[in-house]
Amino acid sequence: SQQGEEDPQALSIQEGENATMNCSYKTSINNLQWYRQNSGRGLVHLILIRSNEREKHSGRLRVTLDTSKKSSSLLITASRAADTASYFCATVFMTGGFKTIFGAGTRLFVKA
Amino acid sequence: DGGITQSPKYLFRKEGQNVTLSCEQNLNHDAMYWYRQDPGQGLRLIYYSQIVNDFQKGDIAEGYSVSREKKESFPLTVTSAQKNPTAFYLCASSTRESSGGQYFGPGTRLTVT
Repeated sequence: SQQGEEDPQALSIQEGENATMNCSYKTSINNLQWYRQNSGRGLVHLILIRSNEREKHSGRLRVTLDTSKKSSSLLITASRAADTASYFCATVFMTGGFKTIFGAGTRLFVKA
Repeated sequence: DGGITQSPKYLFRKEGQNVTLSCEQNLNHDAMYWYRQDPGQGLRLIYYSQIVNDFQKGDIAEGYSVSREKKESFPLTVTSAQKNPTAFYLCASSTRESSGGQYFGPGTRLTVT
């Protein structure tokens, strides 16, 4: 299976609620990144967390990393309808050079 | 205005024809990538290039070819040997080490009938 796997596959919430997405991976990583993709568009880089970091914030986004469990979570607080998108985790690890593997994504739908 | 562009946005081809997708970046990035995305799926790496005149196969390179003659450009050719070419194709670029994140183009949706 893939290096990074997101959970849940899909999530539907009301505007104003928090959304939490999880990512699990298999091998040691250099860093983990979260991306957002609006339907039919390219991916947009949201946040990067290094293997020696445990938590990072960016606006309404909070990312945690637990290297002992090989997992990360992305929390979007006070969600808005405009947050509706797919969210992907990408793990970066060393194998010769740096390699990036994308997960299958979580589809988030925020109802107004 | 720095960025990465892909053209065209939509492309239609008949089975058996080769087709070339364009990708250009003015971010001065050394590395460029091509990914394929199928409906409801993640990204799969087709080819990548860390430097001009050099490129490497990704996980699903069969039926595809690339060139990297200029730093700014990394065109992808989908050949007639690709058995299931209909998909959404995404180009990305990054600094050579790629550890800081990739910048993506808007994508090209290819339909082959």
